[in-house]
Amino acid sequence: NAGVTQTPKFRVLKTGQSMTLLCAQDMNHEYMYWYRQDPGMGLRLIHYSVGEGTTAKGEVPDGYNVSRLKKQNFLLGLESAAPSQTSVYFCASSPTTGGVNTEAFFGQGTRLTVV
Amino acid sequence: AQSVSQHNHHVILSEAASLELGCNYSYGGTVNLFWYVQYPGQHLQLLLKYFSGDPLVKGIKGFEAEFIKSKFSFNLRKPSVQWSDTAEYFCAARPGNLIFGKGTKLSVKP
Repeated sequence: NAGVTQTPKFRVLKTGQSMTLLCAQDMNHEYMYWYRQDPGMGLRLIHYSVGEGTTAKGEVPDGYNVSRLKKQNFLLGLESAAPSQTSVYFCASSPTTGGVNTEAFFGQGTRLTVV
Repeated sequence: AQSVSQHNHHVILSEAASLELGCNYSYGGTVNLFWYVQYPGQHLQLLLKYFSGDPLVKGIKGFEAEFIKSKFSFNLRKPSVQWSDTAEYFCAARPGNLIFGKGTKLSVKP
């Protein structure tokens, strides 16, 4: 039972390069999230999805795009990476949202460095 | 805007000392509350959660938290910390999307 799996685990990009982070969950969850974690800032929501084919902006969406073509996958894209996007990225999934007494399950994180 | 506040940025304790980490949230209605722990270099792990019922919630590794609705608080406690509790602790709240506090680093001296 893999839960939430993120790939890659580490990546170094040059400014201006693009990349895609993949999140896969095998729990048949409807909701998926991308967070970034920065020192002293906690986790901040980038984008989220409430089901296959849907996406929505979170707290810090600028510079990122997402897609949810399949229920089990949620992709986070950086079209033109900037040093300010150096961070640790966490994906999470949840059966539902809206206070229906469920918890979110997190992946192991992707450490991205933009030089 | 909905928010979660953690009062302490960095707490330093000696082994066997008691721990209390503060957390306040700004939601006015029904709320789910969580405490997560992140050990150095690792991902988030759920310590405990509150959905409803008994406001005193017991979690893993001897941690507990008390939900006080009138104070909008969900403080984390442990009677006697160990060196292995050195980690960063995050309070989080929902409904809606899960909103995190900025975290509290706990350093336990052996």
